[in-house]
Amino acid sequence: DAGVTQSPTHLIKTRGQQVTLRCSPISGHKSVSWYQQVLGQGPQFIFQYYEKEERGRGNFPDRFSARQFPNYSSELNVNALLLGDSALYLCASSLGGVVLSGEQFFGPGTRLTVL
Amino acid sequence: GIQVEQSPPDLILQEGANSTLRCNFSDSVNNLQWFHQNPWGQLINLFYIPSGTKQNGRLSATTVATERYSLLYISSSQTTDSGVYFCAVEDQETSGSRLTFGEGTQLTVNP
Repeated sequence: DAGVTQSPTHLIKTRGQQVTLRCSPISGHKSVSWYQQVLGQGPQFIFQYYEKEERGRGNFPDRFSARQFPNYSSELNVNALLLGDSALYLCASSLGGVVLSGEQFFGPGTRLTVL
Repeated sequence: GIQVEQSPPDLILQEGANSTLRCNFSDSVNNLQWFHQNPWGQLINLFYIPSGTKQNGRLSATTVATERYSLLYISSSQTTDSGVYFCAVEDQETSGSRLTFGEGTQLTVNP
C-alpha cells in the first residue's frame, strides 16, 4: 500500500514569492495535517483538515493557508515568503474522526529553502 | 497548551548497548506516538501507545498515562538506530488531531 506522498521533494524560492505544497494521504484516510520543522527542532503543527473542513490551526500567520479536496488530498499555500519560512514541511494522514483521529502517518516532507 | 519534554537531549552509545529515552507531558492525552526521524527527514512510526506497554523486536515502549510519562527502550543497539527520536502527544483538551512534539533525543550509536 502506498504511504503518504508529498510533492515536490525540494523547492527553492526567493523572498516575497508564493509556494504551494501538495500531499496525498494514505488510501482510506480522511484527515490531513501539516507541520513545519525547522532545523534542530521538533515539528510544529500548522493545520488539520478532516472531511474537507479545517479542524485545527496552529500559531502561524495568515500567510499560511490550506485546503482539502474531495479526494482528501491537500495543499498548503504560503504567501509572501520570508527567510524564516525555510524548513521541512511535513504532511500527516490519519483515519480521522469527530473526536479522536487515531495514529498519524507522515510523508517524506518537502524541503523549502527561501533565499 | 500541553508541554512535552524529552530526555536526554543527546545520547552516545556503543553498538550492543541498551538505552532508555523518556518523555514527560504536562496534561492528559488521547494519543502518544514515538517516531524515529532518519537522516533524510522521514518520520518513521515506532509506537502508537497512549497507555500500556508494547514491544516490536528490539524496541519496546511503556506509557503510564496517570503519571504523564512514556519510556522508549532500545536493546542491543545497532548503528542503524542512530537518528533523532521524537515523542508526540495529542492532548484531550484540543479537538482534532494536533500532535505536539518534544524537542527530540539525538541518538548516536558507534560501531
